[in-house]
Formats: sequence, C-alpha cells, structure tokens
Amino acid sequence: GESVGLHLPTLSVQEGDNSIINCAYSNSASDYFIWYKQESGKGPQFIIDIRSNMDKRQGQRVTVLLNKTVKHLSLQIAATQPGDSAVYFCAETGGGFKTIFGAGTRLFVKA
Amino acid sequence: GAVVSQHPSRVICKSGTSVKIECRSLDFQATTMFWYRQFPKQSLMLMATSNEGSKATYEQGVEKDKFLINHASLTLSTLTVTSAHPEDSSFYICSARSPVGVDLDTQYFGPGTRLTVL
Repeated sequence: GESVGLHLPTLSVQEGDNSIINCAYSNSASDYFIWYKQESGKGPQFIIDIRSNMDKRQGQRVTVLLNKTVKHLSLQIAATQPGDSAVYFCAETGGGFKTIFGAGTRLFVKA
Repeated sequence: GAVVSQHPSRVICKSGTSVKIECRSLDFQATTMFWYRQFPKQSLMLMATSNEGSKATYEQGVEKDKFLINHASLTLSTLTVTSAHPEDSSFYICSARSPVGVDLDTQYFGPGTRLTVL
C-alpha cells in the first residue's frame, strides 16, 4: 500500500510473491520504454525494455507489458526476493532520443 | 557490457565554490551523454544533453551558465557546478549512449555523484 509522507509510492510484498509495478507514460510518440532499478546511493540499473511494436516482453523473472491505448506500462517480478527491494522507474524515449523518467515506485520485500 | 564511470562519487564543498564532475564511458565511445539530477525520494530529472564537439542542449529551467557542460572527447563529459549553493546539493547522474555496436536507444548509467554544498 501507499506510504504517507513519501514522494514515491510504495509497494510492499511478501518474499516469494509476485510483484506488479505500474507506470503511466505521457508521450504518445514515445516508442521505446525501459524499466530501471535503483538501489540507494547508486545509479539506475537496466532491467528490461520494450518497443512500441510489442505488447509483452519477458526476461529472467521479469515481464514488461505495454498498453499503448491507455499509455500504460507494467513490470511484473516473479517470486520476489529481498534483493529486489529498490526503487523502480519506468522511462520513455521518443524521437528526440531524450529519456524521460517516471516518478518511481519503492518496492519493499518482506522476508 | 558497457560501463560508465563518474568521478568523484562524493564531494562536499563550500558555498560559492565550483565543482567539476566527470563522466567517462570506459569501453565504448559515446557521442551523446546525458546529465540528470535527482533529489531525495524523487525521480531523475534530465538537465542537459551533451553532444561531443558541440554545445550542450539544456532542459527548460536549467541555467546553462551555472551548470557548464563540456564534451570534449568521445569518452568524457564534464559537468561543472559554478558558484554552488546549498540548494544545488543533489545526486548527479550521467548516462551515455553508444552510436555503434549496441542498440541506439540504450543508455548506460554512471554510479552517480553525491554533491553536498555547505
């Protein structure tokens, strides 16, 4: 659930459960989308990407879903582990090659 | 994989001084680098796009005379925060895009530089 007082929305899940992190993007012209993981005090780490000609892409334990109709992106993490605790950002890139980051979601994994 | 480094990782300076942050692509050449700023519990905000051999393109609201960017080579971009003030304290992150050999849209991020202005 959400935590009051933080700028970032928070998702708490039990270890072993699946996590779903959602993101709404703004630019209908964006054609490349990326999910990043950021741990405290570190730079963003690439997780998975998807292009606008696809609606689903799977990686190891992660799946990204893209719904261009409603401009929505989601990241699914299977069998969430304590090491998955971090802030997750979606990002969109359009014709100008600028990458714009979403607000981010903090994921807490309870052991 | 492509690696981007930043130096220094942390810097503390007095108000009114200038600080230079380096961003290097270690194993690839980057014609385009990006500088971001991140305040606590917030997202990354793009400050400017740095192109090798040309002037940087700044985002709206970012003072180009305060945040000087130089991209003198294909592996190095520098960000200089001039006359730093406490409100400039932030986490500065660079990223680099390689023009060949990898997906053109893929950005590789540095580890960030924590700037604290006293």
